[in-house]
Amino acid sequence: QKEVEQDPGPLSVPEGAIVSLNCTYSNSAFQYFMWYRQYSRKGPELLMYTYSSGNKEDGRFTAQVDKSSKYISLFIRDSQPSDSATYLCATRSNILTGGGNKLTFGTGTQLKVEL
Amino acid sequence: DGGITQSPKYLFRKEGQNVTLSCEQNLNHDAMYWYRQDPGQGLRLIYYSQIVNDFQKGDIAEGYSVSREKKESFPLTVTSAQKNPTAFYLCASTWTLTGEPQHFGDGTRLSIL
Repeated sequence: QKEVEQDPGPLSVPEGAIVSLNCTYSNSAFQYFMWYRQYSRKGPELLMYTYSSGNKEDGRFTAQVDKSSKYISLFIRDSQPSDSATYLCATRSNILTGGGNKLTFGTGTQLKVEL
Repeated sequence: DGGITQSPKYLFRKEGQNVTLSCEQNLNHDAMYWYRQDPGQGLRLIYYSQIVNDFQKGDIAEGYSVSREKKESFPLTVTSAQKNPTAFYLCASTWTLTGEPQHFGDGTRLSIL
């Protein structure tokens, strides 16, 4: 079993839809959570970075973490064709407990927003 | 403009050949990482370095080698021992102790001739 599970998609939605992307993780030591967006043939770029359980909002994007169920989500409101990309969740443990700043990634979900 | 530069963008390897991928950063980060990305498998860590002249193996280090002679540079060599080298290779960097998320370059696509 992978430490971070993510549905690979592809997920296709109409423009303007609310998109929900999800990951589950198994390691209780994971405390920090990230969402990266990756366009084709490009490197991942950081979208959201959260620590505690709860919600964090940035424009049209909301990251949600539920540590009790080991479940993380990214919501995209008013989705646009420019949101079409692969979305990767990532997580790490406390850097002081070993492993430095190493990340564990999900496999990525491919999203297509259609006109 | 600060960032991470990977070169070349595309690279082709012949059988039995070693090839080296370049990664340079001007963000003054102390830690640098190499990942391999294959379809459906996410990013897998090959090697990482938290300080000059020191590096550690990641999850899939076999068939790869690295060096860290300068803080800003972390080249990756794909050796002939790596039997399935076709993949998208990504370099990342950050500061080890701040916990800041990793920043990525735009990758090198390696293919077999």
